[in-house]
Amino acid sequence: IAGITQAPTSQILAAGRRMTLRCTQDMRHNAMYWYRQDLGLGLRLIHYSNTAGTTGKGEVPDGYSVSRANTDDFPLTLASAVPSQTSVYFCASSEWPATNEKLFFGSGTQLSVL
Amino acid sequence: GESVGLHLPTLSVQEGDNSIINCAYSNSASDYFIWYKQESGKGPQFIIDIRSNMDKRQGQRVTVLLNKTVKHLSLQIAATQPGDSAVYFCAEITDSGGGADGLTFGKGTHLIIQP
Repeated sequence: IAGITQAPTSQILAAGRRMTLRCTQDMRHNAMYWYRQDLGLGLRLIHYSNTAGTTGKGEVPDGYSVSRANTDDFPLTLASAVPSQTSVYFCASSEWPATNEKLFFGSGTQLSVL
Repeated sequence: GESVGLHLPTLSVQEGDNSIINCAYSNSASDYFIWYKQESGKGPQFIIDIRSNMDKRQGQRVTVLLNKTVKHLSLQIAATQPGDSAVYFCAEITDSGGGADGLTFGKGTHLIIQP
């Protein structure tokens, strides 16, 4: 059972470059999420999608965009990376609508913007 | 500001002892709480959840207690093992039943197991 697959595992990126982080799930969950995790700040929601074709902004959406063309894939794009986007990025999914908000997380992408 | 917080950033316990990780929340309207475990280099993993109409819920070696009077949540791990070393996050949500976009995470407590 794969669950959620993220790629790449890690990336070093020059500032100003465009980067897309990939996320795929095989659980047929309707909802998907992107979080960034920074020391001292915990997990913060960037963008989410409750169903294919819809997206919404989270707590820290600036500088990021997402798309949800189908149920399984939810890529996160940094149009022009900046050093403050250095972080660990986690993709997650959950059932929606649901009686609980149990999230299943991927293993993360470590991104360094220089 | 952060509505979900943890009393201690680091907790060190002896192997075999019980561990108690605490969490305070400020939104009295929150009705669903979750504990996650994150091991080094991995994503958070669901441990246990509890709804606001419950005071206690037990899982395998873990118990979550909810005190709505003082807005406090705790995770108890029985007979702590080396594999329990991780960062533990509590999370809260208000008006659950929809999506998890309303989930708020605490900053985490690092549990260290001493041999």
